[in-house]
Amino acid sequence: SYVLTQPPSVSVAPGQTARITCGGNNIGSKSVHWYQQKPGQAPVLVVYDDSDRPSGIPERFSGSNSGNTATLTISRVEAGDEADYYCQVWDSSSDLFGGGTKLTVL
Amino acid sequence: QVQLQESGPGLVKPSQTLSLTCTVSGGSISSGSYYWSWIRQPAGKGLEWIGRIYTSGSTNYNPSLKSRVTISVDTSKNQFSLKLSSVTAADTAVYYCARDVSAYQLPPFWFDPWGQGTLVTVSS
Repeated sequence: SYVLTQPPSVSVAPGQTARITCGGNNIGSKSVHWYQQKPGQAPVLVVYDDSDRPSGIPERFSGSNSGNTATLTISRVEAGDEADYYCQVWDSSSDLFGGGTKLTVL
Repeated sequence: QVQLQESGPGLVKPSQTLSLTCTVSGGSISSGSYYWSWIRQPAGKGLEWIGRIYTSGSTNYNPSLKSRVTISVDTSKNQFSLKLSSVTAADTAVYYCARDVSAYQLPPFWFDPWGQGTLVTVSS
């Protein structure tokens, strides 16, 4: 079965750029979506179809996908970006999530 | 703006059936040709997609749960529901409902928006 691999944690200083990766076999051929989840809250979609942003999501959030790695990039990180981030793909008639990455803003 | 709200018992005994309902407000569940999903998250762990339903009644389930899951829809009440049978402690989780979105009403889907989630504990 298809597996999505995310680093458990990423740390970044305010104002810097955070990059959260999602690895999978030839993931570049799939459409990847990203969610932000703050403690005690439901996930919120921040990027869909590799690199599109829903309305209301800041331009600081961007995505890319190529080869075996998809990446969520958060520019000019703010304290409010501290959260868990999950990638998601559809494979073999089923939806799959990565294990999640905790973003810590130092 | 569409909103989703989960409801149902917060405590279920082992071997029994977990039943939850998701009520959609701010729009008709039948409009826009959307699919609707259930997703769960054990405490401190990641997300697991359970299954989805179209307003026609057609369903698609996670193979790992397929034998125990039934998702149904009641368009007259603007609701869809989840039943998970033969539950164990491993089914203890926050259960979310969500709207499935795609470019062409076909996979791949993304989930937006989500309900706030409801905690279901399996314990005697």
